[in-house]
Amino acid sequence: GESVGLHLPTLSVQEGDNSIINCAYSNSASDYFIWYKQESGKGPQFIIDIRSNMDKRQGQRVTVLLNKTVKHLSLQIAATQPGDSAVYFCAETALNDYKLSFGAGTTVTVRA
Amino acid sequence: NAGVTQTPKFRILKIGQSMTLQCTQDMNHNYMYWYRQDPGMGLKLIYYSVGAGITDKGEVPNGYNVSRSTTEDFPLRLELAAPSQTSVYFCASQELNTEAFFGQGTRLTVV
Repeated sequence: GESVGLHLPTLSVQEGDNSIINCAYSNSASDYFIWYKQESGKGPQFIIDIRSNMDKRQGQRVTVLLNKTVKHLSLQIAATQPGDSAVYFCAETALNDYKLSFGAGTTVTVRA
Repeated sequence: NAGVTQTPKFRILKIGQSMTLQCTQDMNHNYMYWYRQDPGMGLKLIYYSVGAGITDKGEVPNGYNVSRSTTEDFPLRLELAAPSQTSVYFCASQELNTEAFFGQGTRLTVV
């Protein structure tokens, strides 16, 4: 079946720099996308979401970009901090579907 | 507001033993899920429920069972534990078209 995948399994970032985490999805019916952050030993935590009628959404220090043409999603973290070290997952579903599909995750390590 | 609570946090089982992983949520969400997460991998859906009395299989249901007698509770049952079921299990709940809230996970080892 179709599923969400991620381009890079690991990302090392200097503290204070911006991070960009990428995600490719293959289900053209997907129209709701979510980024989750998972710290070691914890469950995934919601960061930000975006619906297919938008191509950009901003939160606190985070921005999600959606390119439906190439089925690509990205998460940008501004001024990366040590507390941003975690595994980041993108997830996708179709509106009014209630099952999320998750990619394998990108491990972000912040260097001091 | 506790959110999604899972118990136990850790468990070691012997092959062939059974156990129930407990999950409860206090957000009155209709939709509840069980996922497993193997090392370095994403989350795979085991079972889900769209409301009390209704459950359905996800991507990897073999070896598991669930029930949903109340809105709040969604226990996951392992009847005959196998080493392949060594994993971290996450319960989640949500309402339609909103983000899912996850519990802290249950780390299960089958030896």
